[in-house]
Amino acid sequence: QSVLTQPPSASGTPGQRVTISCSGGSSNIGINTVNWYQQLPGTAPKLLIYSNDQRPSGVPDRFSGSKSGTSASLAIGGLQSEDEADYYCAAWDDSLNGGVFGGGTTLTVL
Amino acid sequence: EVQLVESGGGLVQPGGSLRLSCEVSGFTFSSYWMSWVRQAPGKGLEWVANIKQDGSRKYYVDSVKGRFTISKDNAKNSLYLQMNSLRAEDTAVYYCARTVTTGARFDYWGQGTLVTVSS
Repeated sequence: QSVLTQPPSASGTPGQRVTISCSGGSSNIGINTVNWYQQLPGTAPKLLIYSNDQRPSGVPDRFSGSKSGTSASLAIGGLQSEDEADYYCAAWDDSLNGGVFGGGTTLTVL
Repeated sequence: EVQLVESGGGLVQPGGSLRLSCEVSGFTFSSYWMSWVRQAPGKGLEWVANIKQDGSRKYYVDSVKGRFTISKDNAKNSLYLQMNSLRAEDTAVYYCARTVTTGARFDYWGQGTLVTVSS
């Protein structure tokens, strides 16, 4: 059981916009920033969004993040086949004094 | 170019020990927090531990406290994870990751090293 809650799966057709949610609590998302990671099959995770809504250099602006209260969301616009991957949210938890991840969401492009 | 290269994984019996290493290049190692994150086969990511730039602060996930020790050698640009009293549930790919501050922002990752705990 992960501290942060994500839907296990999401899907969309090419060109569509999909959103992945991440629900936490007052000791993690409620007071700390959220980061999102993309993990393509067989590869190491890659930082996709940091500090709730910032994109690292090289990440397309089709990817966007937001946070409200104790929840966060990752939106992917103009869905492409190469976006098929697992997506994870993460935040620091001040009560646990540790990092926490969501269980991950597998995105399928139909 | 930032690079992180893990090594030291392998097959170990329950109760055994293993030491993972992560050699980095392309950035000033002594200026960054560093973390270990693991992923059990077919499962999600789990943060394991992190360490402050000078090694003065360390944090661990509850399940490894007292068994794992994170350390770093800034002169050797290397991060370590000493794993003792290994259990089957420690079986995972272990990634080292450069960490921005003490949070969960891991901006560069290694390729991972597989640790298998089995008799």
